[in-house]
Formats: sequence, structure tokens, C-alpha cells
Amino acid sequence: KQEVTQIPAALSVPEGENLVLNCSFTDSAIYNLQWFRQDPGKGLTSLLLIQSSQREQTSGRLNASLDKSSGRSTLYIAASQPGDSATYLCAVPNSGYSTLTFGKGTMLLVSP
Amino acid sequence: NAGVMQNPRHLVRRRGQEARLRCSPVKGHSHVYWYRQLPEEGLKFMVYLQKENIIDESGMPKERFSAEFPKEGPSILRIQQVVRGDSAAYFCASSPQDRGMNQPQHFGDGTRLSIL
Repeated sequence: KQEVTQIPAALSVPEGENLVLNCSFTDSAIYNLQWFRQDPGKGLTSLLLIQSSQREQTSGRLNASLDKSSGRSTLYIAASQPGDSATYLCAVPNSGYSTLTFGKGTMLLVSP
Repeated sequence: NAGVMQNPRHLVRRRGQEARLRCSPVKGHSHVYWYRQLPEEGLKFMVYLQKENIIDESGMPKERFSAEFPKEGPSILRIQQVVRGDSAAYFCASSPQDRGMNQPQHFGDGTRLSIL
């Protein structure tokens, strides 16, 4: 059974810092890995999807890497801004289906 | 383009009542997924449907919960005889028909269910 763990559970940084969020998964036979953002009381916004054949994916100030063999992914946020404050979730598809297993998330607070 | 639409956004029920949660997927998407987010917990998969078919319901409690995605109209998650432990945020997601495995899932804003 796939398990996804995210570290740290919470992170507080001053504006402008570069930061790294970590995600690990137990079953490396994944098709892809997806990073989401969730704002309080809102749904999930897809940030990046990395295919299993890719090592990294970039979108603006976000960069996600994937190391299937070690069961790890990182989300790098450059030059953080208060608007980045949210909970960040990583998710992987369950074997054989496109349903997702999620980590519990990292709650990020970027202070001005 | 409208995203995934869920309604109602907030739903309050008394114990023993029925709750009906609706989800309209992104136009053209025929795969629908329901997830539940309990307080202090991560999102947990409940059920995966395609038009008129339940593909995987392994995450859905066997009793009181049911889901459908008819040929016409939204997907419905139905909870009968609700209990306090059903209080949670319920999220719906959709993805395109083809290549569902490698397509990002698009999520709605969820329905917050509160049981009195």
C-alpha cells in the first residue's frame, strides 16, 4: 500500500527566502507525482506534474524534482512571497488507477 | 472554461439525515474522483467513477455511502443517516477520458459538511 510522507509539517520563513519542501513515497512504481497548493477553505490547485520519465519540472519560481529510485520528490520555491502562504500537498497515483494518494501536506507561512 | 463545480459549498445536517453532494466535472471530462479530508488528516480517496460506472470504490465506507455519475447531470455523493464522524470536507476532481493516468486532476473547492 502506497504511503506518502511530507516533511516538514509546517514551515515559517521571512519573505525572500528560498525553501525546499520534501515528499517521500514507499512504492517507487509510480507513473507521475503531482504537487498541489491548497489555500484555507479552498480546493486544490495543481502546481506541477512530473512524469516518471522526468527528473524535474519548472513553473515560474517553482521547481519540482523526482527521484523514483529513492522514493523522493522536492518542491523548491525561489524568492518566497507572502502570497505563497498555503498548504502544499504532494500526491502519487495508486497502482493501476489514476486515483491519488496524498501526503498530509506542509503548511507554509511566508511573513513580510 | 468552468472548472470543477461543487455544490453546496457548505452543508449542515443533523444526525440521521441524508447529505447529497454534487459535482459537475470540467466540460469534456468523463473521469470523476471523490476525496474526503478529515480535520488534521490528509485527503483520502473514496471513489472513482466514469460515466454510469463505478471503477473503484475501495476507499468508500460500505454502509451509508453511495456515489453515482449518470449519463446526464452531475456526479452525486450520497451519505445516508449521517453521523458526527462524517463531518469533513469532500472534494471532487475530474480528468479527461483519455490518458487519465498522466493527466493532472482538476479539483473543485469542496463541500464542507457539518453534522450537528
